[in-house]
Amino acid sequence: QVQLVQSGAEVKQPGASVKISCKASGYTFTGYFMQWVRQAPGQSLEWMGWINAGNDITENSEKFQDRVTITRDTSASATYMELSGLTSEDTAVYYCAREWYSSGRRAWNMDVWGQGTTVIVS
Amino acid sequence: QSALTQPPSASGSPGQSVTISCTGTSSDVGGYNYVSWYQHHPGKAPKLMISEVNKRPSGVPDRFSGSKSGNTASLTVSGLQAEDEADYYCSSYAVSNIVVFGGGTKLTVL
Repeated sequence: QVQLVQSGAEVKQPGASVKISCKASGYTFTGYFMQWVRQAPGQSLEWMGWINAGNDITENSEKFQDRVTITRDTSASATYMELSGLTSEDTAVYYCAREWYSSGRRAWNMDVWGQGTTVIVS
Repeated sequence: QSALTQPPSASGSPGQSVTISCTGTSSDVGGYNYVSWYQHHPGKAPKLMISEVNKRPSGVPDRFSGSKSGNTASLTVSGLQAEDEADYYCSSYAVSNIVVFGGGTKLTVL
């Protein structure tokens, strides 16, 4: 079955960086896009960026423009999201989510989600 | 890009219907048919309930439906059940290939 498995929880000091992995299985990794979303405590979902797993093209939210890097490793069927310059406001649960894509058309949705990775900045 | 506007809360009794709105602009909700709705139970990953305004993914009960008029999209849950109690988020494609989420609506089944 289609599945996304994320790396484990992290505790980081302010100013550090965190890199979260998201390993895909059950589908053709390079045929889809991967979105990254986070949710801070008591807050709404917040979009961070996406990567085309087929050609490595990315787009990031302006809010994180200089701090977020999304990459992929096709040999591992994995995507990675690295966030630098961490502050307490980056304490959140981070999710990767597959975007449905077919016949050259994007659906701009998130149809399969990872289990979430908790990042605590303290 | 500003977040989409959702009411913070909604409620209904079992068996009733409830509608949650999601208001954006012509640069997101109003300009494209790429509105999605997600159900989020605390401690779990969000679940896609509606895609592209009104498409229901396989496995989602037909009690859930979506629509759009102008810059406002809506999610209607008919025949409310206890397990529908959750947070609901809308999202939309927005100009320049980005995604924007709503602030979320907490649905309470009375």
